Amino acid sequence: LAKTTQPISMDSYEGQEVNITCSHNNIATNDYITWYQQFPSQGPRFIIQGYKTKVTNEVASLFIPADRKSSTLSLPRVSLSDTAVYYCLVGDPLESGTYKYIFGTGTRLKVLA
Amino acid sequence: NAGVMQNPRHLVRRRGQEARLRCSPMKGHSHVYWYRQLPEEGLKFMVYLQKENIIDESGMPKERFSAEFPKEGPSILRIQQVVRGDSAAYFCASSDTATNEKLFFGSGTQLSVL
Repeated sequence: LAKTTQPISMDSYEGQEVNITCSHNNIATNDYITWYQQFPSQGPRFIIQGYKTKVTNEVASLFIPADRKSSTLSLPRVSLSDTAVYYCLVGDPLESGTYKYIFGTGTRLKVLA
Repeated sequence: NAGVMQNPRHLVRRRGQEARLRCSPMKGHSHVYWYRQLPEEGLKFMVYLQKENIIDESGMPKERFSAEFPKEGPSILRIQQVVRGDSAAYFCASSDTATNEKLFFGSGTQLSVL
């Protein structure tokens, strides 16, 4: 059963870089690692996805070591509007060859002025 | 290209009534996932459906809850004889493949049971 472990909460100040690490020891060989952002009363929003090494887009970077048992989401120069809950997600393989996706507790990031 | 559409946005029911929550996936998406979220908690997986098939419903209560995703029309999450403990936000997500976690979420339905 795929399971992710993240810190429950983090505080940061505006302008700082924030790194959130997620452990996923049982990740399947072919599975991706995906991160989401959720604001109150809204559905989660896709941030970034990767399989190995490093991925960067306009909002974040994702670092994945060779063993793929963890991943780190990096948010450069956070602002107050980045205050949200961040989830990493890996798939739970099913016999059909598909996956179901079970979210962990997420990391509640609070950005302070 | 419209995103995932859920309706209603808010639903109020009295104990014992039925609740029907609708989810229209993104165009071209044939995989739908339903999640429940209580205040200040994470998203709890309920059920995964493809067109006309339930792939995994291990997260759904055995009684009163059912889900469908017909060939035509939206996916429906149905809760019969609602109780106060069913009050929560229900989110659906869709994807275009079965092996990629790039899920697109709707805005959710907030169910309140009086």
